[in-house]
Amino acid sequence: DIQMTQSPSSLSASVGDRVTITCRASQSISSYLNWYQQKLGKAPKLLIYAASSLQSGVPSRFSGSGSGTDFTLTISSLQPEDFATYFCQQSSSTPLTFGGGTKVEIK
Amino acid sequence: QVQLQESGPGLVKPSETLSLTCTVSGGSISSYYWSWIRQPPGKGLEWIGYNYYSGSANYNPSLESRVTISLDTSKNQFSLKLSSVTAADTAVYYCARYQSGYVELIDYWGQGTLVTVSS
Repeated sequence: DIQMTQSPSSLSASVGDRVTITCRASQSISSYLNWYQQKLGKAPKLLIYAASSLQSGVPSRFSGSGSGTDFTLTISSLQPEDFATYFCQQSSSTPLTFGGGTKVEIK
Repeated sequence: QVQLQESGPGLVKPSETLSLTCTVSGGSISSYYWSWIRQPPGKGLEWIGYNYYSGSANYNPSLESRVTISLDTSKNQFSLKLSSVTAADTAVYYCARYQSGYVELIDYWGQGTLVTVSS
């Protein structure tokens, strides 16, 4: 199985801050990396697919980058509605696997 | 707009079989891959498996001996059966649509249903 490691596991930030979350794969996954946002008690929502493509309807303050084993999700200016947990997920091979999540909290 | 809704018992006894159904509206299940994913309380996400309408199932090896995902195209539903459950199977179970091909992603999710394994 491909292991996905996210960091940090949690962070505190203020509205307007630039936030960066990283995800590392245990082996190369090319660009088969997706990012999801999950709010408390809700299903995950797709933000970024194929490492850097913005899902339709997702605000442009979200962006993704990387390939191979190292990936980044960036929120350029954190908004109140962005406080949530973020997961990366690899689709390079089955079993599909997810990172452990990064909880973004209000400072 | 595709919508998915899970249904099934919220409480299952140890050693019994967990059975859930996902009803899909706004699109046909006769395309795409249809998946189950679970999340134990306070923990991360675990992919259980998926199936395609042609019957090409793929399961997580960690669960493969206990899992069956099947599709009913006449009802536009798909189901999950997980046998010999233990407390470790307590989780929120999500059904989801998986796109494979040009892109590989999970684009639609159900709201999730909590299943507790307890006597």
